[in-house]
Amino acid sequence: AQKITQTQPGMFVQEKEAVTLDCTYDTSDPSYGLFWYKQPSSGEMIFLIYQGSYDQQNATEGRYSLNFQKARKSANLVISASQLGDSAMYFCAMSPASGGSYIPTFGRGTSLIVHP
Amino acid sequence: KAGVTQTPRYLIKTRGQQVTLSCSPISGHRSVSWYQQTPGQGLQFLFEYFSETQRNKGNFPGRFSGRQFSNSRSEMNVSTLELGDSALYLCASSLRQGGNEQFFGPGTRLTVL
Repeated sequence: AQKITQTQPGMFVQEKEAVTLDCTYDTSDPSYGLFWYKQPSSGEMIFLIYQGSYDQQNATEGRYSLNFQKARKSANLVISASQLGDSAMYFCAMSPASGGSYIPTFGRGTSLIVHP
Repeated sequence: KAGVTQTPRYLIKTRGQQVTLSCSPISGHRSVSWYQQTPGQGLQFLFEYFSETQRNKGNFPGRFSGRQFSNSRSEMNVSTLELGDSALYLCASSLRQGGNEQFFGPGTRLTVL
């Protein structure tokens, strides 16, 4: 069984500063993928970044980077130079990457508020 | 390229009724996944369809069903509605089965009275 834990229900950050959103996971699958999504108040989920369990380097997508520490089973999202538009709910998720079974598991989310 | 569209956006039903939600994926995407989002349970995977076949299924009762058409459009049906089915239902599409990058629609907000 898979489990995703996001321990920060809410985070506050000043505009233009960096922020780290925590995510830890647990799985028995040897190969898996880790994802981060953003959900603004409008409700639509927006894909941000993906990290494969066998990827050697941490994933980066513009201002987003994923700090992947496999031994610690953590996949923290780092947002650099926060913008007011970054205020939203952020979800960490994972899914098996082999065996033909793709059933993603999501964390409960972290609410990020960016202050001007 | 048009994004994922879901209809209707809002729906109010009463207990015992059934409901059908529709999802049109991004052109060229063959995989459609459905999710239920509630304050209590969070975001939960319902099922995934690829090439008109259900490929993966989450832990939901048989009242929740779906199908996919040859043009990749998908419908989700919930029969005998219960109060607890009130939720935001999200649809996501991707190029391939179990795609790493999923594109979500705006969701259908279902309220069961």
